[in-house]
Amino acid sequence: KAGVTQTPRYLIKTRGQQVTLSCSPISGHRSVSWYQQTPGQGLQFLFEYFSETQRNKGNFPGRFSGRQFSNSRSEMNVSTLELGDSALYLCASSPFFGEGTEAFFGQGTRLTVV
Amino acid sequence: GQQLNQSPQSMFIQEGEDVSMNCTSSSIFNTWLWYKQDPGEGPVLLIALYKAGELTSNGRLTAQFGITRKDSFLNISASIPSDVGIYFCAGLDSNYQLIWGAGTKLIIKP
Repeated sequence: KAGVTQTPRYLIKTRGQQVTLSCSPISGHRSVSWYQQTPGQGLQFLFEYFSETQRNKGNFPGRFSGRQFSNSRSEMNVSTLELGDSALYLCASSPFFGEGTEAFFGQGTRLTVV
Repeated sequence: GQQLNQSPQSMFIQEGEDVSMNCTSSSIFNTWLWYKQDPGEGPVLLIALYKAGELTSNGRLTAQFGITRKDSFLNISASIPSDVGIYFCAGLDSNYQLIWGAGTKLIIKP
């Protein structure tokens, strides 16, 4: 069974640009969450999608947005990039939304803003 | 945002030593998860706990769900070099959102 796939693995963007990151969950998983991780920091929750609906949202500005498609694949978009957006962006998939749910992570997309 | 209190922040260990780390919260959680992250990779799930008082083992790893549902610990017995990495705890809150600890970094003493 394939794991969570995130593309691209590495990305370099210029300040002010926008970027779209992609996540394909484990087959059969319907919940996808996104996290930002900066060097030496823990995981900061961005948002979670289940059945194409955003179920939870973290404390990030509106420049960060996401969506989920009918096949459970998800994308997140960051507009007007800032230097501080440089981070490892992690996607996690779960079978469903709710109690007893375990999250399985992809390898992440390393975004560098210059 | 909300975060669990995970300690210690870092640990220097010698191969063969036992390791213990814990997470505490002011809130009750119904699920506790422990993850390990290697550099440049995503976290990997080690152990999942679903019931207060539950003690679960996975090889040399043992984790317990505290009776008050506000804490959890992870023990690693007879550590080996590949145990090096960052260990995270996470609790599932009443909104079904995972709340994360800041991580415990395990380092091998030279």
